[in-house]
Amino acid sequence: ETGVTQTPRHLVMGMTNKKSLKCEQHLGHNAMYWYKQSAKKPLELMFVYNFKEQTENNSVPSRFSPECPNSSHLFLHLHTLQPEDSALYLCASRKLGSGPNEQFFGPGTRLTVL
Amino acid sequence: DAKTTQPPSMDCAEGRAANLPCNHSTISGNEYVYWYRQIHSQGPQYIIHGLKNNETNEMASLIITEDRKSSTLILPHATLRDTAVYYCIVRDNSGGSNYKLTFGKGTLLTVNP
Repeated sequence: ETGVTQTPRHLVMGMTNKKSLKCEQHLGHNAMYWYKQSAKKPLELMFVYNFKEQTENNSVPSRFSPECPNSSHLFLHLHTLQPEDSALYLCASRKLGSGPNEQFFGPGTRLTVL
Repeated sequence: DAKTTQPPSMDCAEGRAANLPCNHSTISGNEYVYWYRQIHSQGPQYIIHGLKNNETNEMASLIITEDRKSSTLILPHATLRDTAVYYCIVRDNSGGSNYKLTFGKGTLLTVNP
């Protein structure tokens, strides 16, 4: 248990569906991240939120829409996805401040797009 | 952030020390060396980080060469549960970079019984 939870853990959806991934952290952190990990590829950073404000969008297609209502919750809204979007989606959080602060990762959501 | 080079895979016998190397020859003075690991189908887990001095915690030791161009992560008594992909990441901790981590392919460490 890292203090970062993700739901659902597994999701199967069709290309016309709309679904959302949820991430919650109980660590008092104020920065949250979405990463994507496709099969046999390195983790790719998707979005960064600092104090609920999006500070980075790593050229992610608009069919992925993040939402950060507060420092403890992060969502990834999905619509009209493609089969190549099937991957492990990981959420992470960290505490902003001086000096190095490690990121804590959730267990991920395994997404399959049919 | 500086690039890192790691062997794609390593094997280690259970109970023995696992020494995982990482080259980061272009590291700059204010860049830290981080190690994370990812057990199959789980999220990455922070292990340790360092700047210049060797570091030790309950999970591992980090040895950084004097010129800082390479480092070694040491798991003193590897167990089967240490089988994972180990990532060496070099990053700058100054402000304005979103503190993002750039993951490479890492080293798959397999601990054998």
